[in-house]
Amino acid sequence: AQKVTQAQTEISVVEKEDVTLDCVYETRDTTYYLFWYKQPPSGELVFLIRRNSFDEQNEISGRYSWNFQKSTSSFNFTITASQVVDSAVYFCALPYNNNDMRFGAGTRLTVKP
Amino acid sequence: NAGVTQTPKFQVLKTGQSMTLQCAQDMNHNSMYWYRQDPGMGLRLIYYSASEGTTDKGEVPNGYNVSRLNKREFSLRLESAAPSQTSVYFCASSEGVLNDQPQHFGDGTRLSIL
Repeated sequence: AQKVTQAQTEISVVEKEDVTLDCVYETRDTTYYLFWYKQPPSGELVFLIRRNSFDEQNEISGRYSWNFQKSTSSFNFTITASQVVDSAVYFCALPYNNNDMRFGAGTRLTVKP
Repeated sequence: NAGVTQTPKFQVLKTGQSMTLQCAQDMNHNSMYWYRQDPGMGLRLIYYSASEGTTDKGEVPNGYNVSRLNKREFSLRLESAAPSQTSVYFCASSEGVLNDQPQHFGDGTRLSIL
């Protein structure tokens, strides 16, 4: 069955530090997508990125980058030069049976000024 | 620019009471979902509706019912609330099936059952 593990429950960094959020997944599918969502203190979930299992190239979007490694079943998320506004809970997620999204337990990131 | 709208935002119920959580989306999406979020457990799917007129159980459906009223609206009903249903509930929608489609979420409903 699909499973997503985010082993880091909470991370605290000082502004401008780099931080990596880990995501490890299990799936029996040969092709699949992986997602990252952000939940800021206001509570709503915001879609960040979607990656296809065929594409293992790193993705970079501004200060955000994602490292997808099929060999280790990992899809890690790095924030470079973190800012206070990055403080949020971040979820990694994996679709299951077309209509279910299996979320990890989330990593709470606190960026201190 | 509303996206997914949930009502109410907060609710306190007594054990045994019933209530309906409302959700509407204005993005013409086919699929809609109800999740609950509990501390340390991420989000878990309660029910989903792949298209207007269809609904199916997710991972944790017990104690809930849903109605896909039309393409825009998807409601979640608690017939007899229990303290174990204290949670934050999120409605979401997506254009199609989830294999490659991101979901768009509402702001959540914080529900407390006393």
